Amino acid sequence: DTAVSQTPKYLVTQMGNDKSIKCEQNLGHDTMYWYKQDSKKFLKIMFSYNNKELIINETVPNRFSPKSPDKAHLNLHINSLELGDSAVYFCASSPNRGNEQYFGPGTRLTVT
Amino acid sequence: DQQVKQNSPSLSVQEGRISILNCDYTNSMFDYFLWYKKYPAEGPTFLISISSIKDKNEDGRFTVFLNKSAKHLSLHIVPSQPGDSAVYFCATYGGSQGNLIFGKGTKLSVKP
Repeated sequence: DTAVSQTPKYLVTQMGNDKSIKCEQNLGHDTMYWYKQDSKKFLKIMFSYNNKELIINETVPNRFSPKSPDKAHLNLHINSLELGDSAVYFCASSPNRGNEQYFGPGTRLTVT
Repeated sequence: DQQVKQNSPSLSVQEGRISILNCDYTNSMFDYFLWYKKYPAEGPTFLISISSIKDKNEDGRFTVFLNKSAKHLSLHIVPSQPGDSAVYFCATYGGSQGNLIFGKGTKLSVKP
């Protein structure tokens, strides 16, 4: 069984569209994260979510919004997609903040 | 500014020899370091970690060394195997989110 899963694995869409990426973890972890790996290959935190507390990286545009329907899911919604949003997005989870993190396989988003 | 630096983008090693991957950090307050391994089209997977109270941690073929005065750590893989070919990320915990701060990664190629 996959511990942290993401769908879709690939997403190609046009500028201006709104899209969502889903993430689910079956590890019973309390904290989930979204990371972005840009064209320069840096992995950078976007959000973390723990017990309904959302902490947002201030550099993330407000077009990006995480939604957590329950502890096992943290979905990423992106409005008005821009070319610069093209990247690989990784979801991760950990038992709590500061613990080892488990990553999903990534979603490659391409905005044309 | 990069808080975690991996200055070698790539490393090529012969099978059976030692691979040494290096990582430097800027903040002496960082006290826990991790190495993640990443294959293409997959998410990073945890490999080994070290706390700042230690200067060495070993797990099978993998050993991490920490030099706090130099703000430097290294990952040794011995003997190297072709299956070790991957991108290796150095990371530490930083910020209020408990998120990981990653280096840019070093691509290791182990040749048979």
